Amino acid sequence: GAVVSQHPSWVICKSGTSVKIECRSLDFQATTMFWYRQFPKQSLMLMATSNEGSKATYEQGVEKDKFLINHASLTLSTLTVTSAHPEDSSFYICSAQTTGRVETQYFGPGTRLLVL
Amino acid sequence: GESVGLHLPTLSVQEGDNSIINCAYSNSASDYFIWYKQESGKGPQFIIDIRSNMDKRQGQRVTVLLNKTVKHLSLQIAATQPGDSAVYFCAEGSPNTGFQKLVFGTGTRLLVSP
Repeated sequence: GAVVSQHPSWVICKSGTSVKIECRSLDFQATTMFWYRQFPKQSLMLMATSNEGSKATYEQGVEKDKFLINHASLTLSTLTVTSAHPEDSSFYICSAQTTGRVETQYFGPGTRLLVL
Repeated sequence: GESVGLHLPTLSVQEGDNSIINCAYSNSASDYFIWYKQESGKGPQFIIDIRSNMDKRQGQRVTVLLNKTVKHLSLQIAATQPGDSAVYFCAEGSPNTGFQKLVFGTGTRLLVSP
């Protein structure tokens, strides 16, 4: 149980284009999903918290107009990297939280983005 | 500020040995802790969690110990296997950041030699 999927698993795009990454909770409903970014050999950095049906909450330093997050249903959240640049190349990981007060976050397999 | 850190960036052990991975946290209000395992190119995998009202929790081959006095968390892996080789992260949740949000440590790489 508690399986989270991401699509695509990897993507290569040209600078200036936009890329959408999907995060789905497959066997449970997630009122909250999180988007992280991870550089090589570093820890996970939270980018934003996404609650179903409401606007995402972005961490300090994360541009909300560049990283568009939509959480339209209890099983799907999307992250769109707009006008991507080479410095946006990274490993993007989502997680989903089950309902409840303090619940474990279950992570997706990650999406590796390479911007040329 | 808040931080969750690890003492050892890399831990090398022999197959069959017991491994201990440590984590220090600075937010005394943290009351929920999780250990994750991350293999190369994959997302973090939940291992075990513990709440602050407990000192110890055991799972299959893993034990988490929590010392709130010194704000220290450890993960013990018994009979370490080559498949345990990965990066291990501790993460904390605290009321003052909202229960939903976790702060991750820097990670420890565990290398298991056959």
